[in-house]
Amino acid sequence: ETGVTQSPTHLIKTRGQQVTLRCSSQSGHNTVSWYQQALGQGPQFIFQYYREEENGRGNFPPRFSGLQFPNYSSELNVNALELDDSALYLCASSPRGPSLGYTFGSGTRLTVV
Amino acid sequence: AQRVTQPEKLLSVFKGAPVELKCNYSYSGSPELFWYVQYSRQRLQLLLRHISRESIKGFTADLNKGETSFHLKKPFAQEEDSAMYYCALSGPGGGADGLTFGKGTHLIIQP
Repeated sequence: ETGVTQSPTHLIKTRGQQVTLRCSSQSGHNTVSWYQQALGQGPQFIFQYYREEENGRGNFPPRFSGLQFPNYSSELNVNALELDDSALYLCASSPRGPSLGYTFGSGTRLTVV
Repeated sequence: AQRVTQPEKLLSVFKGAPVELKCNYSYSGSPELFWYVQYSRQRLQLLLRHISRESIKGFTADLNKGETSFHLKKPFAQEEDSAMYYCALSGPGGGADGLTFGKGTHLIIQP
């Protein structure tokens, strides 16, 4: 049974650029969620995808967007990067929403300069 | 708005002593409550869910709806319990609002 894998592990971007982060879900999990974790804070919910449709979104602007593919892998896209977007981005998968518990990836550390 | 509060950023106890990590929440309805743990250099992982009423690694947590609390307890701390602990809640059902996490408590078990 494979876990959740994320790529890349680290990334440095310039303010105003666009970035794409990738996530491969755990086998058998059809729900994927993305979280942003700033230093010293708990993870903050960005959005959730279930069977390729976004079915939940946190308090993030539209420049944060995502995709889920038929194999349940996922992408997080962030446009017009701002300095405050610097954070650890976590992907989490589950069989169906958070009730059974998420399996988290190790995250992508994004630095915006 | 839903909120999770973990009042202690850091908690240090001696090995063998009881541990209690506090978690209070704000939610209009019946939430599902969780504890997640992150050991050093490892990824965030589920420790326990209130709905399953289980004990994992000697830890238990009871949902107190009157006090809106979900404190994590262990009677005798072990050094391997040192980690970052996050309390989290979600709405019932499919949880399309995702998880709301607290800021976390860093637990240090001293030998």
